Amino acid sequence: QKEVEQDPGPLSVPEGAIVSLNCTYSNSAFQYFMWYRQYSRKGPELLMYTYSSGNKEDGRFTAQVDKSSKYISLFIRDSQPSDSATYLCAILDNFNKFYFGSGTKLNVKP
Amino acid sequence: EAQVTQNPRYLITVTGKKLTVTCSQNMNHEYMSWYRQDPGLGLRQIYYSMNVEVTDKGDVPEGYKVSRKEKRNFPLILESPSPNQTSLYFCASSSNAGGGGEKLFFGSGTQLSVL
Repeated sequence: QKEVEQDPGPLSVPEGAIVSLNCTYSNSAFQYFMWYRQYSRKGPELLMYTYSSGNKEDGRFTAQVDKSSKYISLFIRDSQPSDSATYLCAILDNFNKFYFGSGTKLNVKP
Repeated sequence: EAQVTQNPRYLITVTGKKLTVTCSQNMNHEYMSWYRQDPGLGLRQIYYSMNVEVTDKGDVPEGYKVSRKEKRNFPLILESPSPNQTSLYFCASSSNAGGGGEKLFFGSGTQLSVL
């Protein structure tokens, strides 16, 4: 079983839509959860990270972690064409190893 | 400008010909790591280093070597490349993985093709 699994997409939504991106993970001991955004032909960039269950909000982005079900989500409100990118969930384990989901490609149509 | 620099950006080589991909960061980061990115498989960690002279295997270390002789540099070495190592490679650094160092700064990537 992979440490982290991500809904593969791709997703295509109209501008202004609410987007939900999801991942599940295998090990209940994981504590550090992140979302990275990757534009075409670029390296990933950190979007949000959280240590705990619950919601963390940053502008139009909300990261949600449910440790009881080992589920992490990223919500994008009022999506914009500039949000079109691949989104990667990531986990840092207690041994300083990073695990990434396979990525979900999002296209926001004007 | 704070950055992670990888070279080369593109590389085409033949099976068995040793190659090195360089990675350098100017942020005085302790943690550095290498990833490969393949369609449908996402980013997979190859090796990581917590500090100078300290390296550890990631998820897919077979066929790769690394060294960390200086804090700023973390080269990736393929002693005998094979076609299944054709991939997009990323180097990344962080101030300290864990405890607040989860922000990885990525380089621009190296597209490697092994014929």
